[in-house]
Amino acid sequence: EAGVVQSPRYKIIEKKQPVAFWCNPISGHNTLYWYLQNLGQGPELLIRYENEEAVDDSQLPKDRFSAERLKGVDSTLKIQPAELGDSAVYLCASSPGLAGGFRDTQYFGPGTRLTVL
Amino acid sequence: SQKIEQNSEALNIQEGKTATLTCNYTNYSPAYLQWYRQDPGRGPVFLLLIRENEKEKRKERLKVTFDTTLKQSLFHITASQPADSATYLCAPGGSTLGRLYFGRGTQLTVWP
Repeated sequence: EAGVVQSPRYKIIEKKQPVAFWCNPISGHNTLYWYLQNLGQGPELLIRYENEEAVDDSQLPKDRFSAERLKGVDSTLKIQPAELGDSAVYLCASSPGLAGGFRDTQYFGPGTRLTVL
Repeated sequence: SQKIEQNSEALNIQEGKTATLTCNYTNYSPAYLQWYRQDPGRGPVFLLLIRENEKEKRKERLKVTFDTTLKQSLFHITASQPADSATYLCAPGGSTLGRLYFGRGTQLTVWP
């Protein structure tokens, strides 16, 4: 079974530039999460999707961050414009939801390491 | 707001010994608690889940306890090996279905 796929793995941009991250969850997983992880810290939830609906986005800085999950499968997280403080690892995770298994056990991708110069 | 504390940022032990990691939480009543392992440059990997009505859970060399009175979980690795070296994250969850709150993790190093 293929795991959660994320791309790119690394991204270096200058501040004020836009950037986008892509995530393909495990097949059949209804729930998709985007997390931000700073060095030496645990992951912090940005947004959670149930199928194509964003059900928990209270931690997403909506002035510059946006996300979408069209058709309830792949998802894209965008930052525009990026700031120096956005440098971090962006993790995508998925969980089975109604497909089976304890719904809140999360399967993480390898993350995208963003560096903003 | 919820606060999660893991006992120390780093724990160094000798191979063969038992590693014990602590997770304390405040301002929170989770229905369950999960433990994850994270290696450098990788995403966290799920290890164990323990529910509020369970006192102890085991999986191979891993053991987790959950004391809702003390608001604490202990994570044990018995007969530790250098391959167990990683960062271990605790994540209470369940008060808001689907949301986990992660601690900052404890970096475990097992030396031969």
